[in-house]
Amino acid sequence: SSELTQPPSVSVSPGQTASITCSGNKLGDYYASWYQQKPGQSPVVVVYQDNKRPSGIPARFSGSTSGNTATLTIYETQAMDEADYYCQAWDSTKYVFGPGTKVTVL
Amino acid sequence: ITLKESGPALVKPTQTLTLTCTFSGFSLSTGAVGVAWFRQPPGKALEWLALIYWDDNKRYSPSVKSGLTITRDTSKNQVVLTMTNMDPVDTGTYYCAHSIVPNIAAASFDFWGQGTLVTVSS
Repeated sequence: SSELTQPPSVSVSPGQTASITCSGNKLGDYYASWYQQKPGQSPVVVVYQDNKRPSGIPARFSGSTSGNTATLTIYETQAMDEADYYCQAWDSTKYVFGPGTKVTVL
Repeated sequence: ITLKESGPALVKPTQTLTLTCTFSGFSLSTGAVGVAWFRQPPGKALEWLALIYWDDNKRYSPSVKSGLTITRDTSKNQVVLTMTNMDPVDTGTYYCAHSIVPNIAAASFDFWGQGTLVTVSS
């Protein structure tokens, strides 16, 4: 079965760049999406189809892929970006999510 | 677009869970539109459960128990998820979400309900 792997945590200083990776052996075949989830809230899609940004999502959120790894980059990180981030993709039989990465803005 | 989940907060082991997603702002009869269900155990990651498409096709997670059923009522703008033989490990927050599905691999889940916490306990 396909699994997605993410680092458990990423720390970043305000104004700096945070990068979150998501690896999976079928990621190169399918699109990746990224979801932001703050405590007690529902997920919000910040990137879909690898690198598209929904309306209303700040331009500082950027997605990219290379081989079997997808990356979410948050430029000029703000305190409001502190949250859990999940990558998600189709693995030929089901939609799968990564375990999540907690982004802490120090 | 808004979605809202409703259903029991507490179910006993072996019982059947029925959750309703009531939505507005879109039609489930419109091409390339779907509604999906997810769950999230406390402190854990999201898990996809099922998806129903505009043409009434359905997909289920093979990782989840076989007693999963998703249906729609387009006249009421509702999607219903039933899960049989509930177990304490099924405890968590259940979400429904609107999906744009240009093709199955490109689906994105762009509007989510607030979620409903379901506890399975005797």
